[in-house]
Amino acid sequence: DVKVTQSSRYLVKRTGEKVFLECVQDMDHENMFWYRQDPGLGLRLIYFSYDVKMKEKGDIPEGYSVSREKKERFSLILESASTNQTSMYLCASSLGQGNNQPQHFGDGTRLSIL
Amino acid sequence: AQSVTQLGSHVSVSEGALVLLRCNYSSSVPPYLFWYVQYPNQGLQLLLKYTSAATLVKGINGFEAEFKKSETSFHLTKPSAHMSDAAEYFCAVRVKTSYDKVIFGPGTSLSVIP
Repeated sequence: DVKVTQSSRYLVKRTGEKVFLECVQDMDHENMFWYRQDPGLGLRLIYFSYDVKMKEKGDIPEGYSVSREKKERFSLILESASTNQTSMYLCASSLGQGNNQPQHFGDGTRLSIL
Repeated sequence: AQSVTQLGSHVSVSEGALVLLRCNYSSSVPPYLFWYVQYPNQGLQLLLKYTSAATLVKGINGFEAEFKKSETSFHLTKPSAHMSDAAEYFCAVRVKTSYDKVIFGPGTSLSVIP
């Protein structure tokens, strides 16, 4: 089975801090994704990557950046955390383009910005 | 633009009753469709996927979904609800753009009443 591991289940940070959320997958997937999930808004795509060192903006990239130095690891960075970034963050991975393969999700990181 | 709608943000059923969760999509091309389930404080788990091989798709935990092109629907059903089915359910459609983007519906929260 595909395993997507997010480094923290719960995280509390302060406004203005630089925050790193880490995600690792063990199935050699080309694609990796970061979503945030908020009540009533569903899942919204922040950034995704289809290859090492490649990244593309999703629907809500403002205030975030990402890093993919290795194929198995995709990091989400909050450059200067703000209270409106309090949310559940979900990482996902999938096989490369052209495959009818679903995305596989980690258990999520519930981030609180105080 | 492609979209996914789920009728009813919250559905309650009695234990043993039929579960019906509705999903409609808009797509100009044959879609790839998915249903995911999310249990409290966990990530999303794939229930089933439609790949055009058969209109009736069987998934895990006794769930199934029927693709109806004329109605642009992909409703999820289970003949007899269990208490363990209480969760959030997301319908999703894959969109062929420059990458394999997945659009998620807003989700339906299922409650099972003993």
